[in-house]
Amino acid sequence: EAGVAQSPRYKIIEKRQSVAFWCNPISGHATLYWYQQILGQGPKLLIQFQNNGVVDDSQLPKDRFSAERLKGVDSTLKIQPAKLEDSAVYLCASSLVRADYNEQFFGPGTRLTVL
Amino acid sequence: QKEVEQNSGPLSVPEGAIASLNCTYSDRVSQSFFWYRQYSGKSPELIMSIYSNGDKEDGRFTAQLNKASQYVSLLIRDSQPSDSATYLCAAKPGGYNKLIFGAGTRLAVHP
Repeated sequence: EAGVAQSPRYKIIEKRQSVAFWCNPISGHATLYWYQQILGQGPKLLIQFQNNGVVDDSQLPKDRFSAERLKGVDSTLKIQPAKLEDSAVYLCASSLVRADYNEQFFGPGTRLTVL
Repeated sequence: QKEVEQNSGPLSVPEGAIASLNCTYSDRVSQSFFWYRQYSGKSPELIMSIYSNGDKEDGRFTAQLNKASQYVSLLIRDSQPSDSATYLCAAKPGGYNKLIFGAGTRLAVHP
């Protein structure tokens, strides 16, 4: 079974530029998550989708971050314009929809450096 | 604010010893708990999940859950240098289908 796919793996941009990340979840996983992981910290949830719909985006900086999941499969996360503090690893994870459990599986991540 | 707390470490143990990693959580109604291993420069990898009070064993790993004390732990028996990594504890808050992660404990196993 293929895991969660993400691209690109690395990205270096100047501040105020825009950037987009792509994620393809494990086949059959209806729930998709985007996390931001700053060095030395645990992953912080940015946005959660169930199929096409947003379940939780309470920690997404909506003035600069946006995400979509068209057709309930692939997802893109965009930052526009980027700030220095956005330098982090952006992780995509997916899980089955289960009321009690929430085993999430992570992709390899995209390491973003904002100069 | 629901929180998961971990000692940042590093926890240093000799090869062959038992490594004990601890985690506390603030949301009393959390039901599900997870341990992820994260090697430097890699993404988190799920190694254990536990939902009921008591112990759950999988190979060299044992997860322990005490809901009354809001405490989760991970024991690694016969620690190997390849176990050197950051271990992330995560809790699923009651009523939410998401995870709250701790900052992780860095484990160093020395030969």
